[in-house]
Amino acid sequence: GEDVEQSLFLSVREGDSSVINCTYTDSSSTYLYWYKQEPGAGLQLLTYIFSNMDMKQDQRLTVLLNKKDKHLSLRIADTQTGDSAIYFCAESKAAGNKLTFGGGTRVLVKP
Amino acid sequence: EAGVAQSPRYKIIEKRQSVAFWCNPISGHATLYWYQQILGQGPKLLIQFQNNGVVDDSQLPKDRFSAERLKGVDSTLKIQPAKLEDSAVYLCASSPPGELFFGEGSRLTVL
Repeated sequence: GEDVEQSLFLSVREGDSSVINCTYTDSSSTYLYWYKQEPGAGLQLLTYIFSNMDMKQDQRLTVLLNKKDKHLSLRIADTQTGDSAIYFCAESKAAGNKLTFGGGTRVLVKP
Repeated sequence: EAGVAQSPRYKIIEKRQSVAFWCNPISGHATLYWYQQILGQGPKLLIQFQNNGVVDDSQLPKDRFSAERLKGVDSTLKIQPAKLEDSAVYLCASSPPGELFFGEGSRLTVL
């Protein structure tokens, strides 16, 4: 079956880099996503990567994909207090198709 | 562009009562999803519609949950009778081919 795992919590100092890790089990996953959820808010798509890529950079965000190990990471450079939120990793078989989410990683940015 | 609209935002009911949630997707989006997000967990897919047809309802507890999407636009999700474990945020999402867009969710508390 499909399974997406994430660590529960990450604490980081403002200005440092954050790295959030995710592992998945389904080798047929085609798209891998990172969503951000702030308290009381819906899910905001941050970025996604297609499975034939190993890296994608978008401003302060860098996604790394190790397809062999089924490992995905999200690096946030120069982390700000506004980056404090829960970050969800998700996978799907087709773009925009149903997503399977991990349990989320709560990121706390300390001043 | 208007986002995915959901109502009500908050609902408190007693167990064994019924509740209904409404979702209005982004105009023109053929695919609509309902996800259940229990506190501290990632969202879990309940049902996927393509226009007004059900694509996947394998995770929907059909003894108490029902959903419909009349005319392929708005959708309602109903729970009857509610159980304590149904306390969660119910997220609606819609998509053209490509990215999913999430609403802010309807938070249900069952006492």
